Amino acid sequence: AQSVTQLGSHVSVSEGALVLLRCNYSSSVPPYLFWYVQYPNQGLQLLLKYTSAATLVKGINGFEAEFKKSETSFHLTKPSAHMSDAAEYFCAVSDQTGANNLFFGTGTRLTVIP
Amino acid sequence: EAGVVQSPRYKIIEKKQPVAFWCNPISGHNTLYWYLQNLGQGPELLIRYENEEAVDDSQLPKDRFSAERLKGVDSTLKIQPAELGDSAVYLCASSAIGQTYNEQFFGPGTRLTVL
Repeated sequence: AQSVTQLGSHVSVSEGALVLLRCNYSSSVPPYLFWYVQYPNQGLQLLLKYTSAATLVKGINGFEAEFKKSETSFHLTKPSAHMSDAAEYFCAVSDQTGANNLFFGTGTRLTVIP
Repeated sequence: EAGVVQSPRYKIIEKKQPVAFWCNPISGHNTLYWYLQNLGQGPELLIRYENEEAVDDSQLPKDRFSAERLKGVDSTLKIQPAELGDSAVYLCASSAIGQTYNEQFFGPGTRLTVL
């Protein structure tokens, strides 16, 4: 079974500061890992994904995440926050069986302070 | 390219009434998913279709929820009768078959309020 835990339901950063959103996963098999972003009243948009290639994954809008097997983590970072980054961020895990079912965390709401 | 289309975007009904949500996936996407997203939570899978076959409906509350994808394209999710606890956002997603991982594309969702 797969699951993810997102530490911190709310994160606030100043504009221009580092963004760090935490995600730890649990999986009995090699996982695929994802970060999605959700803006108000919109669906989820894929930011980036880890599918067992490079452990450092770069996504859209300047975000990146690093897969660390020893720590079972897949934290999302961005060097400099922008006001437009304010949104809800979800970490998700899938197995590699081909079923492609996603298991989401509870989300982290990012606030960017001007 | 058009994304996943869902309608209605918002629906308000009284408890015990029926309600239906419609989803049109991205053209050519064989796999269609319905998710439930409660307030402050991540999406949870309700049902997954591959073409017209429901291949995973283990999380669908079958006493009141039903879904169909008759021609393997668009899909309808129904609740009858609705309960207060069904108030949530219902998300539809689609993906293509044939890749190592099939990225899921999400629609904007239908926000249901049951009074």
